[in-house]
Amino acid sequence: GEDVEQSLFLSVREGDSSVINCTYTDSSSTYLYWYKQEPGAGLQLLTYIFSNMDMKQDQRLTVLLNKKDKHLSLRIADTQTGDSAIYFCAESSGGNNRLAFGKGNQVVVIP
Amino acid sequence: KAGVTQTPRYLIKTRGQQVTLSCSPISGHRSVSWYQQTPGQGLQFLFEYFSETQRNKGNFPGRFSGRQFSNSRSEMNVSTLELGDSALYLCASSPDGALNQPQHFGDGTRLSIL
Repeated sequence: GEDVEQSLFLSVREGDSSVINCTYTDSSSTYLYWYKQEPGAGLQLLTYIFSNMDMKQDQRLTVLLNKKDKHLSLRIADTQTGDSAIYFCAESSGGNNRLAFGKGNQVVVIP
Repeated sequence: KAGVTQTPRYLIKTRGQQVTLSCSPISGHRSVSWYQQTPGQGLQFLFEYFSETQRNKGNFPGRFSGRQFSNSRSEMNVSTLELGDSALYLCASSPDGALNQPQHFGDGTRLSIL
């Protein structure tokens, strides 16, 4: 089955790097996603990685996937105050568009 | 290109009433999925529609239903509302019938049940 776990809270100083972690249990996961949610808003797709990849970099974002340990991480370089939000990892598997989400990780950027 | 549009943004209802929420996907997107977000349960999948057919369904009671129109717009309906239905309802769209495609979300409809 699908079970995605995330830690809850991260505080980081502006300009530092932040790393958010996620574990999942469904080994048949095909794609893994990172979404960002700001207060009062929906989910913004940040990036995603196919399960046969180990790493993906997109500007300030770096996604690392350890398929053996079912561990996914998102690194945000040069964290800005606009990065303050809740970050969700999600997986899709089982040959459908159903996403299973983690509980989210709140990131607070301190100026 | 306009994003996913959900209406209304906010809704207040009382127990026992019913409600209809609307979602217009990104132009050209044909798959629409619905999710419920609550503080206690997090984000949970409700159902997915493609080509006017429900393709996948989550573990919600039959009070939750949906449909999709020929222009890919979708509606979800909740009947006999309960206090526990208070939540943010999010709609997501993806391009076509291929599975496991990135889904793009709207800003949601916040439903409050009094």
